[in-house]
Formats: sequence, structure tokens, C-alpha cells
Amino acid sequence: ETGVTQSPTHLIKTRGQQVTLRCSSQSGHNTVSWYQQALGQGPQFIFQYYREEENGRGNFPPRFSGLQFPNYSSELNVNALELDDSALYLCASSSGGPDQPQHFGDGTRLSIL
Amino acid sequence: RKEVEQDPGPFNVPEGATVAFNCTYSNSASQSFFWYRQDCRKEPKLLMSVYSSGNEDGRFTAQLNRASQYISLLIRDSKLSDSATYLCVWSSASKIIFGSGTRLSIRP
Repeated sequence: ETGVTQSPTHLIKTRGQQVTLRCSSQSGHNTVSWYQQALGQGPQFIFQYYREEENGRGNFPPRFSGLQFPNYSSELNVNALELDDSALYLCASSSGGPDQPQHFGDGTRLSIL
Repeated sequence: RKEVEQDPGPFNVPEGATVAFNCTYSNSASQSFFWYRQDCRKEPKLLMSVYSSGNEDGRFTAQLNRASQYISLLIRDSKLSDSATYLCVWSSASKIIFGSGTRLSIRP
């Protein structure tokens, strides 16, 4: 069984740039959720995709957008990067929706200079 | 008020002790609850789901009190390897809320 994989592991960007983070879900999982985790905080829910449709969204501005593909992999796109976007971005997959246990990838650490 | 609140700790207890954490939630809509464990600079890992009737997994016991809107995690006979941050999670059909986590440190 293949677990959740994320790429890249680390990324450095400057303010105003755009970034795309990628996630492959665990085999058999059709739901992907994205989270932002700042140091010392719990993961903050960005949004979730179920069968290629956005299925719920947290309190993040529209410059945070996403996609899910037919193979259930997913992308998180962030436009107009701000310094406060520096964080660990976690992807998690599950089968059947947000009320199911989440299985996390190792995350992408994004630094904004 | 945060939707999910946890005591940040740190809890510093000796090996073999019993330790308990609570987590309160404010949204009483239909929901599911979980406890996750996160080691330093690692991803969260599911510890256990929390069921209405309470559930146990080895040394770990989870309880849900819907009337008072809190969930709890009890760890018996704590081990050094239990040192981690414990995150409680509230989720509904369209939203997932993590608490900020409770840091636990087990000393020899």
C-alpha cells in the first residue's frame, strides 16, 4: 500500500510569487485535504477535494486554490505569496469524506523571503 | 473563542504515570472526533477515533461527552515514547478543525 506523498519537500519563494504544491493520495483514497501548519500551532484546514470537487473550505482567501485529478492526486496553488504564508503545508487523504480518519504526507515546508 | 480548544501544556510526567487531556469544542453540529499524535517536525498520525460510547486501544482510552462538549484522552502506564504533541480533531461533512495540540513530555 502506497502512502501519501508530497512534493517538493522544501521550497523557497519570494513575496508576490506563485507556488504549486503536489500530493498523491494513499491508494484507495478518494478524498484529499490540505492544511497549513505554523510553528507551534495545529494544522489549519485549507480545503478538501472529493471526487475532483471542492467539498469544504476553511478560512483562507481565494488566492489559495486547488485541484483534484481523476487519479485523486491533488495540487494546492497559492498566488501572490505573503510572508505569513511561510509554513508547513500538509496533505492528507481519506476514503469517503472529512469525517473519516486522515492519513498525512510528510508535508512541504514553504519559506517566503 | 476557538472552535476547538486544548490546554497547550507542556505536561511533564514520570514514566509509568497516568495522564489525561481534555479538548473542548464549540460547534454541536453532527460531527466526528479523533486524536492524532505529532512528533517534532513530523506529520500528524492518527492515534484513535473517538466514539460516543468511549473506546480503548491498549493503554489509550478516549471519551466523548456531548452534553459538555468535550473529548478526553487518557494514557495509562506512560512510556518515554509517548512524548509528543497530541492533537484533537472535530470534523463535520465539510470542515475539519484541529486543536493547537497538547505537548506531553515523559521523563525517566
